[in-house]
Amino acid sequence: NAGVTQTPKFQVLKTGQSMTLQCAQDMNHEYMSWYRQDPGMGLRLIHYSVGAGITDQGEVPNGYNVSRSTTEDFPLRLLSAAPSQTSVYFCASSPALALAQETQYFGPGTRLLVL
Amino acid sequence: SQKIEQNSEALNIQEGKTATLTCNYTNYSPAYLQWYRQDPGRGPVFLLLIRENEKEKRKERLKVTFDTTLKQSLFHITASQPADSATYLCALGRPGGGNKLTFGTGTQLKVEL
Repeated sequence: NAGVTQTPKFQVLKTGQSMTLQCAQDMNHEYMSWYRQDPGMGLRLIHYSVGAGITDQGEVPNGYNVSRSTTEDFPLRLLSAAPSQTSVYFCASSPALALAQETQYFGPGTRLLVL
Repeated sequence: SQKIEQNSEALNIQEGKTATLTCNYTNYSPAYLQWYRQDPGRGPVFLLLIRENEKEKRKERLKVTFDTTLKQSLFHITASQPADSATYLCALGRPGGGNKLTFGTGTQLKVEL
């Protein structure tokens, strides 16, 4: 299994541009989520999904959209990039919502710089 | 909202000693608590999970304790090695919150020869 994969590894955007961060997992996990990590702050939840077709907002959702059309993929879209969105983005998945206490498997991250 | 405190200063210890990292939280008591390891430029890797009704969990050289009265978790690495050098994150799962986690900022551990 490849686990959780993220593309691109690194991206530079200009203010106002849009882009999609890709996330895929091959473990048939129901739960997927996006976090951002900034210096001096813990990982903060942006959006999450409990299964295909179901998404919900996390702690810091503004400026981001998500969709979950398949179990495997959970892309994160930046609608109009701002310098405040410069961060490292991590996608994570976990196997079963029912147990509600599953470990999460993280991808390698995407470093985003917005100029 | 939940506030989590981990030592922001790096912890430097000698090889072979036991490293102890602290995770303190305020507000509600979490349903469970997890510890992750993060190396530079990489995503967090799960280490241990402890539930609210458990006092202690062990895995090889790792031990986690959970004191809901003190609102604190301690993470121990015994017989530490330079390869244990990394940042360690604690994460809390709230009651009824499913798989949503609230993360601390992490503590950097450096194990010196």
